[in-house]
Amino acid sequence: GDSVTQTEGQVALSEEDFLTIHCNYSASGYPTLFWYVQYPGEGPQLLFRASRDKEKGSSRGFEATYDKGTTSFHLRKASVQESDSAVYYCALSADTNAYKVIFGKGTHLHVLP
Amino acid sequence: GPKVLQIPSHQIIDMGQMVTLNCDPVSNHLYFYWYKQILGQQMEFLVNFYNGKVMEKSKLFKDQFSVERPDGSYFTLKIQPTALEDSAVYFCASSRDWGVYEQYFGPGTRLTVL
Repeated sequence: GDSVTQTEGQVALSEEDFLTIHCNYSASGYPTLFWYVQYPGEGPQLLFRASRDKEKGSSRGFEATYDKGTTSFHLRKASVQESDSAVYYCALSADTNAYKVIFGKGTHLHVLP
Repeated sequence: GPKVLQIPSHQIIDMGQMVTLNCDPVSNHLYFYWYKQILGQQMEFLVNFYNGKVMEKSKLFKDQFSVERPDGSYFTLKIQPTALEDSAVYFCASSRDWGVYEQYFGPGTRLTVL
């Protein structure tokens, strides 16, 4: 079945460090890919999405590029801030079965001041 | 932005009892979802609901689970009877349409079954 793999469970960085969170997916066709962010005590909220190969999604300094060749949608930010500390989820909505979103396990980002 | 509300935020019940989790979705949304997240694990899809019907459900959506949205009020998830393994945070979400459309999530209901 369709799946999303995030390799980093926890990431600890200092402010102004460069961030990469890896996301690879398995799905047929052209799924829509999402990055969600979840702050403590809240539900996930959408950062951005991308629906076709080479499309770049971005928001609040975060960005990711849809790469069908490598089936990846890695999240990057050039300079993280303490306020970016949260759990980040990569997710997909398959083009053949779009009634649900399949989430990765999530990556807990800790940014130290 | 649009908000999804969930009531209650915490619920503690004894195994075998019935529990109803309530969700107040975004007002013009038509699609509703429940997800389950066991502590420390990923969020997993339970069920999708549209136009009064379950569109799709996962294998986690056991026979003891049911969903409804009577007369456009709360979208509810009922578990009867509850089991120990039902302890988790349950997130409700809603969306205007399906597929590429953003799902808006509530803050979750933490259910503890003793």
